[in-house]
Amino acid sequence: DTGVSQNPRHKITKRGQNVTFRCDPISEHNRLYWYRQTLGQGPEFLTYFQNEAQLEKSRLLSDRFSAERPKGSFSTLEIQRTEQGDSAMYLCASSPLGDYGYTFGSGTRLTVV
Amino acid sequence: AQKITQTQPGMFVQEKEAVTLDCTYDTSDQSYGLFWYKQPSSGEMIFLIYQGSYDEQNATEGRYSLNFQKARKSANLVISASQLGDSAMYFCAMREGRGAQKLVFGQGTRLTINP
Repeated sequence: DTGVSQNPRHKITKRGQNVTFRCDPISEHNRLYWYRQTLGQGPEFLTYFQNEAQLEKSRLLSDRFSAERPKGSFSTLEIQRTEQGDSAMYLCASSPLGDYGYTFGSGTRLTVV
Repeated sequence: AQKITQTQPGMFVQEKEAVTLDCTYDTSDQSYGLFWYKQPSSGEMIFLIYQGSYDEQNATEGRYSLNFQKARKSANLVISASQLGDSAMYFCAMREGRGAQKLVFGQGTRLTINP
């Protein structure tokens, strides 16, 4: 197992386009998390899944954002009608049940031009 | 109010010296957890150390220790014998409430180790 994998590593898109990111967690991890990090800031929580159930969503996750984890394995984060303010690093993390530590991926850096 | 405050935007330390990175937190929950993560320029967040609110001993992991002062609501990270590879951003984070999953991060401290 090579840890949490995120694809793509970088994405440049034009304002108004839709983008989708993928996260493959560590295989035995039940929980999966999405965070967003803007330049010079700490990561901010977006949402988390336990298996395929989305159990918590931040107010940051506007109607243009949607996350899925259809079979309780990989997850996708889609942003519709991107805006320049969506430019950020999108981080995925996973953890097993009952464990306090997350393992983060290397992130997807989104630039909206 | 900020949940996690890291007052040092940048720190510069000579190699082999010890360094303390400050973190204060704000919560009314009795049950919470405090975390430190390292973020090198590659972007990945690397878990360093964890302290539970009910833990009586300060957490230690190799060269990392957490100076937990509950009454002062501080959770400072101490790195002993710093190395060039310690140069990175360091984030303090908190998880509030029993069973909670969300982490709240501070703004980070950029640590630079000079040879």
